Amino acid sequence: EDQVTQSPEALRLQEGESSSLNCSYTVSGLRGLFWYRQDPGKGPEFLFTLYSAGEEKEKERLKATLTKKESFLHITAPKPEDSATYLCAVLVSGTYKYIFGTGTRLKVLA
Amino acid sequence: ETGVTQSPTHLIKTRGQQVTLRCSSQSGHNTVSWYQQALGQGPQFIFQYYREEENGRGNFPPRFSGLQFPNYSSELNVNALELDDSALYLCASTGSSGGENEQFFGPGTRLTVL
Repeated sequence: EDQVTQSPEALRLQEGESSSLNCSYTVSGLRGLFWYRQDPGKGPEFLFTLYSAGEEKEKERLKATLTKKESFLHITAPKPEDSATYLCAVLVSGTYKYIFGTGTRLKVLA
Repeated sequence: ETGVTQSPTHLIKTRGQQVTLRCSSQSGHNTVSWYQQALGQGPQFIFQYYREEENGRGNFPPRFSGLQFPNYSSELNVNALELDDSALYLCASTGSSGGENEQFFGPGTRLTVL
């Protein structure tokens, strides 16, 4: 069964304390892996798309990487405004079905 | 460029009723997907519409149905509402049915079923 698992469920960091969020996946075939940020009561905001193992993308304090089994979202020197839920999703080959993980709730303390 | 919009923002219904939620896709986008997000969970894929045809569906019963119009806007209809249908309903649009392009989400409609 196609599955996406994110860890940890929740993470508290001090401002400036770098860390990584994990997204592991088991799918029959991967067309793309997506990272989103979601603030409370709002729709997810697109961050990155990764298509193949070894690919990396960066945006400000965020860097996403992809292997054949998992993806990492690295947060360097986070700020309180980075506090949000970070969602990972995969698009399964041969389908138009996106499978989301349950997210990691990040809280960055000043 | 206009983003994805959804209406209404909030809705309260009673069990057994029917509901219609609306979505306007981002300018230039011809593909719309609908998701259900329960509290504390990730979005669950309901279905996708491309050029007015459903071209993908998740594990949702037939009482969840949809439409896409020639201007690419879309509706989600849910019949015979159940308490478990209470959730945030999200609409997302992409530039093509290829799927590899990023999805842009609307703000969602919060549905409460009493």
